[in-house]
Amino acid sequence: KNQVEQSPQSLIILEGKNCTLQCNYTVSPFSNLRWYKQDTGRGPVSLTIMTFSENTKSNGRYTATLDADTKQSSLHITASQLSDSASYICVVSPNTGTASKLTFGTGTRLQVTL
Amino acid sequence: GAVVSQHPSRVICKSGTSVKIECRSLDFQATTMFWYRQFPKQSLMLMATSNEGSKATYEQGVEKDKFLINHASLTLSTLTVTSAHPEDSSFYICSAPQPGQSPPEQYFGPGTRLTVT
Repeated sequence: KNQVEQSPQSLIILEGKNCTLQCNYTVSPFSNLRWYKQDTGRGPVSLTIMTFSENTKSNGRYTATLDADTKQSSLHITASQLSDSASYICVVSPNTGTASKLTFGTGTRLQVTL
Repeated sequence: GAVVSQHPSRVICKSGTSVKIECRSLDFQATTMFWYRQFPKQSLMLMATSNEGSKATYEQGVEKDKFLINHASLTLSTLTVTSAHPEDSSFYICSAPQPGQSPPEQYFGPGTRLTVT
């Protein structure tokens, strides 16, 4: 069964600190892995997309890594801000077509506090 | 970036009535759109794939007669929740992949909060 598991389920950090979120997947075949940020009551917003041949990709203070051999990914957030408080969802796609269904992880709820 | 809009953002309806939710891709054409449902503190669950000019493809366990999907144009897909019941109360989100990219960026709408009383 295709699955995407994320850890931790929730995380509280102080503003300015760094954090790393984890994602393990069993989706096969595998084409690409995405990280999304979802604010409460809003739709997800894309942070990064990585294909199986990419090891790392950055978007501002967000850096995602991918190890396609071990089927693991991480999202590192640097110098966290209060606005980073949201759910972060790891999403895996089996192919590159526009009709490709995405498999969603359960998300990590991040809270950044003063 | 490309924008996908949804309307309405919030709707409250009485049990037994029908509600239509619109999903529009504002600056690109989408032959495929996806409809998701999200319950509190859970991730998105795919309900169906909306295909322009043809029937939608529903996920297992999703009643196609209850959740009617119409994708009449390349920029608009609608989801109609028929004979709504309180258990249909949820956050409904659509997405559209932007063609011409590999892999295609998937843009999500802002969601529609449905409350059935």
